Amino acid sequence: GENVEQHPSTLSVQEGDSAVIKCTYSDSASNYFPWYKQELGKRPQLIIDIRSNVGEKKDQRIAVTLNKTAKHFSLHITETQPEDSAVYFCAASSGNQFYFGTGTSLTVIP
Amino acid sequence: DSGVTQTPKHLITATGQRVTLRCSPRSGDLSVYWYQQSLDQGLQFLIHYYNGEERAKGNILERFSAQQFPDLHSELNLSSLELGDSALYFCASGGTSYEQYFGPGTRLTVT
Repeated sequence: GENVEQHPSTLSVQEGDSAVIKCTYSDSASNYFPWYKQELGKRPQLIIDIRSNVGEKKDQRIAVTLNKTAKHFSLHITETQPEDSAVYFCAASSGNQFYFGTGTSLTVIP
Repeated sequence: DSGVTQTPKHLITATGQRVTLRCSPRSGDLSVYWYQQSLDQGLQFLIHYYNGEERAKGNILERFSAQQFPDLHSELNLSSLELGDSALYFCASGGTSYEQYFGPGTRLTVT
């Protein structure tokens, strides 16, 4: 089955700096890679996603890159703000199953 | 609000008991996915239903079962409950694209 690894497990940045979270996957059949933000006690919320036929996608301060050959994808958050503080999860899917990374707890220090 | 509803919000029960968690997907979505989120294990995929049919199974215990009904709502049944089953249980719904949207979750506490 699929194995998704996520690093780092915790990340602290100063407000205004950039944050990068990296994930690797093992199953070459995976073709959809979403990222979720989860605040304490709340549901995971989809913030950005990328499909395997695209190398990069950007939405305002958030971007995701995918390297299919190396089987890794990354989340980039620029100009971080305190409200970006949360746990971020990556996932890999072939459509019927979703496999999640173990999460990155991001703290943005004002 | 994602449009996905889950009931109940909280559930406290004793070991050995059986409970049923309910999920209603967003209007128009045919897929329902179930996940278990424990403190030390992140989000674990349990099972996926599409239009009433089971599509994929993940790390779902034999004590757990699920089904999706003709009106597309889904139920997750957990039986012979153990202390280790205490967790947040999320369902997520999806449409024709791969995107999935999570419900608010059911917090299960087994005492």
